Amino acid sequence: DQQVKQNSPSLSVQEGRISILNCDYTNSMFDYFLWYKKYPAEGPTFLISISSIKDKNEDGRFTVFLNKSAKHLSLHIVPSQPGDSAVYFCAAGRIGNYGQNFVFGPGTRLSVLP
Amino acid sequence: DTAVSQTPKYLVTQMGNDKSIKCEQNLGHDTMYWYKQDSKKFLKIMFSYNNKELIINETVPNRFSPKSPDKAHLNLHINSLELGDSAVYFCASSPRGRLDNEQFFGPGTRLTVL
Repeated sequence: DQQVKQNSPSLSVQEGRISILNCDYTNSMFDYFLWYKKYPAEGPTFLISISSIKDKNEDGRFTVFLNKSAKHLSLHIVPSQPGDSAVYFCAAGRIGNYGQNFVFGPGTRLSVLP
Repeated sequence: DTAVSQTPKYLVTQMGNDKSIKCEQNLGHDTMYWYKQDSKKFLKIMFSYNNKELIINETVPNRFSPKSPDKAHLNLHINSLELGDSAVYFCASSPRGRLDNEQFFGPGTRLTVL
């Protein structure tokens, strides 16, 4: 039972354009969401997070949008750069519950074409 | 300086063998984790330790036994290896066991059971 879904296994975008990566979750108790980026042969690295009390969080070229009613979040990268080519994992969990952990989606492979 | 390191990076072994994967973090974090990334690329939490105390123990066969000699180390020992244990195993750490703490991942250990 996948609680966190990333329905696009891959996405290709031209350099300079916007990349939009989508994530859906099923557990309405989730109130904290994160995006991690992963390069080949490396571990995931934290990118950006959002709490359910917000609907948007921005950090430089990266913005995460949260639509709680739709149980949907998206990561926007503007402008996309070739160095952004990586696998992006969405993760969700319940904050404040000691001993809980995130549920990760299967990832979306982003290719930014020069 | 590697923040979270794992050894070995690759491990190829026969079914039935016992093997260990070591993890060390030099970030001064209190909490460490083991994840398994299976063939479908899902990252799933296996264990979490906070200051050497086990706080998460997901449904994992008891052939897997974590050991935390101190808060900077969390090793994973696997007995009687099976084909289905083939995966990439990631170690991670965070300042505390709360979800709003960014987790720092190691580079992963690719285990292949023949």
